[in-house]
Amino acid sequence: GAGVSQSPSNKVTEKGKDVELRCDPISGHTALYWYRQSLGQGLEFLIYFQGNSAPDKSGLPSDRFSAERTGGSVSTLTIQRTQQEDSAVYLCASSLDSPYEQYFGPGTRLTVT
Amino acid sequence: AQSVAQPEDQVNVAEGNPLTVKCTYSVSGNPYLFWYVQYPNRGLQFLLKYITGDNLVKGSYGFEAEFNKSQTSFHLKKPSALVSDSALYFCVCSRGDKIIFGKGTRLHILP
Repeated sequence: GAGVSQSPSNKVTEKGKDVELRCDPISGHTALYWYRQSLGQGLEFLIYFQGNSAPDKSGLPSDRFSAERTGGSVSTLTIQRTQQEDSAVYLCASSLDSPYEQYFGPGTRLTVT
Repeated sequence: AQSVAQPEDQVNVAEGNPLTVKCTYSVSGNPYLFWYVQYPNRGLQFLLKYITGDNLVKGSYGFEAEFNKSQTSFHLKKPSALVSDSALYFCVCSRGDKIIFGKGTRLHILP
């Protein structure tokens, strides 16, 4: 079956611009997660959705970051006024429920110039 | 504060030898523990998990992990390493709505 998909796969943007990253989870998965992986670093947990609700937003690095999920399916991560330190691979994962195993998408590589 | 520690940035093992990738956690209550693997130029994949029950859990590709509550550890093991096991391994702890990844351990299997 179809796995987790993310778009775009690559995004190059100028500093100060807004970007929107999209995640399509596996159908039927109620839990959805966003992570950030910087070059040579581990994974930084950003936010978790159960259905359309995000119980804990404290992982978002700053108020420039926001995320939403609609219809219990697609999620978007928005970064406003991008900075160079936002450059990273943004990973999305979904799971049947929490804390079941997560299935990861291929990621979006964001480069802020 | 809750945390997951993978004390080794890199582990080198000769092919055919047993391997261990270490993980310790600091979480209140009863955590759920996972191992994930990231192969070069591929996405993260689930290996195994501990929720409750038998302390020794078996997962994909011949890997297993032992949950030790007294030592708060969840070390990943394999009896005989393959060159294809070379990858980045992450230990993960989930407790409530919090998900904590270790920083990862790069495993090199030497032919």
